[in-house]
Formats: sequence, C-alpha cells, structure tokens
Amino acid sequence: DSGVTQTPKHLITATGQRVTLRCSPRSGDLSVYWYQQSLDQGLQFLIQYYNGEERAKGNILERFSAQQFPDLHSELNLSSLELGDSALYFCASSVGQGASYGYTFGSGTRLTVV
Amino acid sequence: GESVGLHLPTLSVQEGDNSIINCAYSNSASDYFIWYKQESGKGPQFIIDIRSNMDKRQGQRVTVLLNKTVKHLSLQIAATQPGDSAVYFCAESYYGSARQLTFGSGTQLTVLP
Repeated sequence: DSGVTQTPKHLITATGQRVTLRCSPRSGDLSVYWYQQSLDQGLQFLIQYYNGEERAKGNILERFSAQQFPDLHSELNLSSLELGDSALYFCASSVGQGASYGYTFGSGTRLTVV
Repeated sequence: GESVGLHLPTLSVQEGDNSIINCAYSNSASDYFIWYKQESGKGPQFIIDIRSNMDKRQGQRVTVLLNKTVKHLSLQIAATQPGDSAVYFCAESYYGSARQLTFGSGTQLTVLP
C-alpha cells in the first residue's frame, strides 16, 4: 500500500457521461498530481494542486477539471466522455512541489468508456 | 501481465542474469531523472533517481547511468529475479517545468526461469 488511495478502482461508463475520480494523498503530502496512462500516449501529466491551489497544468482537456479540497483530497472530473478517454488515471502525491520531493503513486482508476 | 496495452519494447532475461534497460530522454534542460517500475494492476513505483550533476548512482541491486552528452539513461538490475518482471519507465523533469515528470514509453522486462 503506497499510502495514496484512489477510488474507484474500475469505472465503466457510456460516451457523453460525466465521472468523478477521487484521490486521497499520503498523510502529510500537500501536492497532488493527476496523470493519464492511455494505450497510445503512455503516462501524461494532467494537472497539479498544492495545498488547495492549482499550480501546474499539462495536457488536460477542457472537458476535464480537478480540484483539491481543504482536507487535501482531490477529485478529477471528466465530462462529455469519449471512447478515447478510456485509460488508467493515476494520482500521485508529494510533500512539496515537484518530483524531486518524491512522488508516490496510487494504484489508479481504470476508466472504460463504451 | 497487464501492461497498459502499449506496444512496448521488450527485454527477456534469464533469472540471475543482469538486465540493462535503456532510455533516451528528450529535453537537454532536464536535470532530474527517475526510474519507475510498474507491475500489473499497480501504479508506478520509485526505483532510483539521479541528478544531472552525477553520471552514476547505485542502489540495492540497481544502478542508474546518465550520459548527458547523448541524452541517455540506463538502468542496470543485477541478478535479475522473477519479481523484477514489470514495465520500467524513465522520467525526466527540470526546474522550468515546475518539476513535473515527462515519462518515456517504457520497457517490458520479462524474467525467464
């Protein structure tokens, strides 16, 4: 157990729908990062939050949004889902900002859009 | 095992042999590099890191080599064990990117009995 908790583990939904993925960081970690791992793109950085504030954005679609709550858990919202959104979505956390503080990844949420 | 379905480069080694996994990184400004291991059904797991002011770093059974001239990283695993079978990713970051990670495409390592 890495200490980073992601729910749900699996999600199957139809095109056009909206889903919310949840991440609880390791105790004491203030940064949360979201990554997408798809069949043809590998692991891609989506967005980072630090202590409730958005700090960096990567290749995140406008249909996707995220937030970090006062208790530091984070949610990734995916809307108007398309078949190509099917992927593994990972959350990682760290004490500070950036990989040099030591990322810890969760086990991911596998999203299947049908 | 479950990779992510990518057509990954593969490396098969006999149990007990040494493994070498290679990675070409893209950004000459990158100054921090990490190797991750991803097993079936799990998230990437940190193995070893190296900063650009070093060209070699050793851990337990693993060594990372960095060649900045040709933008190349390698991961050496000594006495490879069945539990080492996984997908291995290199990742790079630099200060200007707010230290976000850019991952390579990964290599599937299979350890043969």
